Amino acid sequence: EPEVTQTPSHQVTQMGQEVILRCVPISNHLYFYWYRQILGQKVEFLVSFYNNEISEKSEIFDDQFSVERPDGSNFTLKIRSTKLEDSAMYFCASSGPNRGQGAKETQYFGPGTRLLVL
Amino acid sequence: QQQVKQSPQSLIVQKGGIPIINCAYENTAFDYFPWYQQFPGKGPALLIAIRPDVSEKKEGRFTISFNKSAKQFSLHIMDSQPGDSATYFCAAKDSGGSNYKLTFGKGTLLTVNP
Repeated sequence: EPEVTQTPSHQVTQMGQEVILRCVPISNHLYFYWYRQILGQKVEFLVSFYNNEISEKSEIFDDQFSVERPDGSNFTLKIRSTKLEDSAMYFCASSGPNRGQGAKETQYFGPGTRLLVL
Repeated sequence: QQQVKQSPQSLIVQKGGIPIINCAYENTAFDYFPWYQQFPGKGPALLIAIRPDVSEKKEGRFTISFNKSAKQFSLHIMDSQPGDSATYFCAAKDSGGSNYKLTFGKGTLLTVNP
């Protein structure tokens, strides 16, 4: 069964450093998302991406964050200058091809990257 | 208004019991309500989803009940098993625009004792 993959599984970085989190969405999916989950809290939407541009972003997704689809398979989240409060689990998700509303809505999540900022 | 309120925060049942997790929302533009199951250290996995034109949906041992007028929906797990022990999140999607972002509830930690 196709799945979303993410690398690395864990990342430790110093405050102020740049990090890039990588995701490979399901191959025929067209909609891509990043969410984050601070330990013990709910999953929060960060950004959605379609047709090579951001379709929506949350208040959390400030100028320190950026997303990119550098090639046909990868989807990346960059944090330019990490802060302590960026420590969280970051999940990539993707949803369907343009084959009806159901396919577009059904989001499949990757296993996440646990980011720890020291 | 974008919030989804989920309760209880945690729930302990015996094997074979029927845990019920409840969610409520205010935004009448929400039109898709999935439930996700998350095991420790893993990503959320889609369990079952419902739309507001349906009052109930069953998939295996999992049932969603939906009350559109009350703006509430709930997950029932029939014949619960220790392997069902996980965190369950309800979520909702806004019908507006072409974006499919999900708004999640705070989660319910379910423990099923043998």
